[in-house]
Amino acid sequence: EVQLVESGGGLVQPGGSLRLSCAASGFTFSSYNMNWVRQAPGKGLEWVSYISSSSTTKYYADSVKGRFTISRDNAKNSLYLQMNSLRDEDTAVYYCARNRLTDYSIDYWGQGTLVTVSS
Amino acid sequence: QPVLTQPPSASASLGASVTLTCTLSSGYSNYKVDWYQQRPGKGPRFVMRVGTGGIVGSKGDGIPDRFSVLGSGLNRYLTIKNIQEEDESDYHCGADHGSGNNFYVVFGGGTKLTVL
Repeated sequence: EVQLVESGGGLVQPGGSLRLSCAASGFTFSSYNMNWVRQAPGKGLEWVSYISSSSTTKYYADSVKGRFTISRDNAKNSLYLQMNSLRDEDTAVYYCARNRLTDYSIDYWGQGTLVTVSS
Repeated sequence: QPVLTQPPSASASLGASVTLTCTLSSGYSNYKVDWYQQRPGKGPRFVMRVGTGGIVGSKGDGIPDRFSVLGSGLNRYLTIKNIQEEDESDYHCGADHGSGNNFYVVFGGGTKLTVL
């Protein structure tokens, strides 16, 4: 069974930093491209970042470019998101999400971890 | 980047059928769209991908045959037949584009489906 379990969320002040983690199991993690997608309270989904299976390619949404860094450790079956210079508008549930092998469809999502940016 | 437009709400009676619509902005009629179901307090669940030729690839794990898709022009449709209580969810559509250094994923605002 595919499982994606996020951790690392919490309350942080504006300008602060936070590192999210995603533990993957039930599939060959090193073969799949991965993403972070977020959802502000009561709002729709917003794609944040993408990383290819071998970490060769990384993409970011304009709203987080230069502040967030995506990475992965295939030996540990883990995905990360380093978030710096956090703003109020970064408050959201952050989901770890897997692309299926054939295209960029996201075929599995985690349950999410809540990040609250507030003073 | 395309803009994806979804009606904010829809409703249907138990056992009836409903069709949800996701409309791509002008100029993006060749784009495929993914449908996701999100139950309250849960992460999204992949339903299936749709283009103008219909479903692309396989449905998501555990998605019943009651769910089907169709694509026409700028519209991508998700039809649910014989609606059950567990179908009450938010339904999101998303579209992606990856070419060279240009990559993005965009989502619609979501449609909240209420089962009456």
